[in-house]
Amino acid sequence: AQKITQTQPGMFVQEKEAVTLDCTYDTSDPSYGLFWYKQPSSGEMIFLIYQGSYDQQNATEGRYSLNFQKARKSANLVISASQLGDSAMYFCAMREDNQGGKLIFGQGTELSVKP
Amino acid sequence: DSGVTQTPKHLITATGQRVTLRCSPRSGDLSVYWYQQSLDQGLQFLIQYYNGEERAKGNILERFSAQQFPDLHSELNLSSLELGDSALYFCASSRGNDYNSPLHFGNGTRLTVT
Repeated sequence: AQKITQTQPGMFVQEKEAVTLDCTYDTSDPSYGLFWYKQPSSGEMIFLIYQGSYDQQNATEGRYSLNFQKARKSANLVISASQLGDSAMYFCAMREDNQGGKLIFGQGTELSVKP
Repeated sequence: DSGVTQTPKHLITATGQRVTLRCSPRSGDLSVYWYQQSLDQGLQFLIQYYNGEERAKGNILERFSAQQFPDLHSELNLSSLELGDSALYFCASSRGNDYNSPLHFGNGTRLTVT
């Protein structure tokens, strides 16, 4: 079974609008962390935002926020005021406490920002 | 800049050959991870080292091996290369093994096997 599911292979958004990228996860471990990474066409993997399973508030980092719904096991990334430079692949990922250190990734969502 | 350094950036080699990919983690990070990214398999975890010891193993082929040295840099060795090994190989590092520590990735080594 997939541990991390990103159901949107590709998405389009108009510049300056907000966009939500979906991520659902599956774990029985009470202690886990959820992460979002951005991969531009140049290839590097850039860490964006983190949410811990015990965090009461949704994480925010600048224009990025994470909509964490624990009961639904979802961790959607919200990008506000999209910019052309936001066009990239976005990956949701999870680390489980009982799995040591490894980070498991979803298949990714390709976001295209239109001018 | 993540602080993780990977060399070389590109590598082109022939089937049957052996290559070594090198990684220097961020200053202070004890854990090093190797990932393979291909179009059909996505991002696959290969192996993790923590302070010189193997910590976790993922979908790493027997033809592949890795190690972490006392100065914490790591090398991934790929041997008897096949066309299907062509991929982007990432190294990442983190402070520890806590589930709440993000991994910081290098820029990757793009391997092309011809």
